[in-house]
Amino acid sequence: GENVEQHPSTLSVQEGDSAVIKCTYSDSASNYFPWYKQELGKGPQLIIDIRSNVGEKKDQRIAVTLNKTAKHFSLHITETQPEDSAVYFCAATFKAAGNKLTFGGGTRVLVKP
Amino acid sequence: GAVVSQHPSWVICKSGTSVKIECRSLDFQATTMFWYRQFPKQSLMLMATSNEGSKATYEQGVEKDKFLINHASLTLSTLTVTSAHPEDSSFYICSARVAGALQAGELFFGEGSRLTVL
Repeated sequence: GENVEQHPSTLSVQEGDSAVIKCTYSDSASNYFPWYKQELGKGPQLIIDIRSNVGEKKDQRIAVTLNKTAKHFSLHITETQPEDSAVYFCAATFKAAGNKLTFGGGTRVLVKP
Repeated sequence: GAVVSQHPSWVICKSGTSVKIECRSLDFQATTMFWYRQFPKQSLMLMATSNEGSKATYEQGVEKDKFLINHASLTLSTLTVTSAHPEDSSFYICSARVAGALQAGELFFGEGSRLTVL
């Protein structure tokens, strides 16, 4: 089955700096890679996703890159703000797997003002 | 955007009782819903896949008689934790897949239900 590794487990950045979270996956059939932000006591919220037919996607301060050959994808947050503090999860899936998401272990991001 | 609602958002119960958690897709139909549990400071662990009109598919190690799942309509799935014990205390989260979604993904998550068993 699919296995997703996520690093780092914790990340502390100064407000205004960039944050980068990296994930690797094992199953080359995976073709959909979402990123979720989870605030304390709440469910995960989709913040950005990327499909295997593109290498990069950007939405304002958030961007995701995908390297299919190396089987890794990354989340980039620029100009971080205190409200970006949360736990971020990457995930991977493909349709033949019934859309079952395999999650990374999560990254706790703290943006210091 | 698509909204998934869970109820209750938190529940406290006595050991040995059963607790039902509802997951509703409010503005779309969902043929498939997924149930996860999340322990403190850990990732989401898939428990089962709930399919409308058929039996749920459970992940390895998840007791189907302990965690009863019913997906009676295209907008509602329920998870019942039977004879709950303190070790069942966790954050339970559902997600729903838009019916007819052609590609992988398009999953929307509920806000979660925190279960505390005394």
